[in-house]
Amino acid sequence: KQEVTQIPAALSVPEGENLVLNCSFTDSAIYNLQWFRQDPGKGLTSLLLIQSSQREQTSGRLNASLDKSSGRSTLYIAASQPGDSATYLCAVIHGSSNTGKLIFGQGTTLQVKP
Amino acid sequence: DTGVSQNPRHKITKRGQNVTFRCDPISEHNRLYWYRQTLGQGPEFLTYFQNEAQLEKSRLLSDRFSAERPKGSFSTLEIQRTEQGDSAMYLCASSSRGRGDFNEQFFGPGTRLTVL
Repeated sequence: KQEVTQIPAALSVPEGENLVLNCSFTDSAIYNLQWFRQDPGKGLTSLLLIQSSQREQTSGRLNASLDKSSGRSTLYIAASQPGDSATYLCAVIHGSSNTGKLIFGQGTTLQVKP
Repeated sequence: DTGVSQNPRHKITKRGQNVTFRCDPISEHNRLYWYRQTLGQGPEFLTYFQNEAQLEKSRLLSDRFSAERPKGSFSTLEIQRTEQGDSAMYLCASSSRGRGDFNEQFFGPGTRLTVL
């Protein structure tokens, strides 16, 4: 059974700091991994999608890496801003899935202090 | 706006009542997913449609839950005889069909259900 874990559950950093969010999954057989952002009481905003054959993806100040063999992904946020404060979720599609359903971690709640 | 839309955004109901939620996916997305998210947790998969066919249902989807996607466009999720444990955010997502792999899923704003 595929399980996804995100540690830490919460993180507080001063503005301007570079930071890394961690995501681990128990079964390396995945189709892809997706990182999302969720603001309080809102839906999910897709940040980055990494296919199983890729090692990383970049968008602006965000860089996500994928190491399937070790069952890990990291989301790197450069020069953090107060507007980055949100919950960040990672999710995988298991390699045996016929439907593409996402299996989520519990998220890391980030607070960036001015 | 061409994103995923969901209605209503909020629903407050009394225990035992029936509720229905609607999801309008991104135009021409043939894959549609429903997820449920409780406070402090990541979303959990409920059910999946490819066009109008419901191809997978989670064990979380008890017989009080039913979902439809009658013409392969919008979808509805109905909960009958609601219970307090049904209180959650109900999220809808859609994606286009990929070549072998699965494409990015785009989520709607969710429907927040509160059962009193």
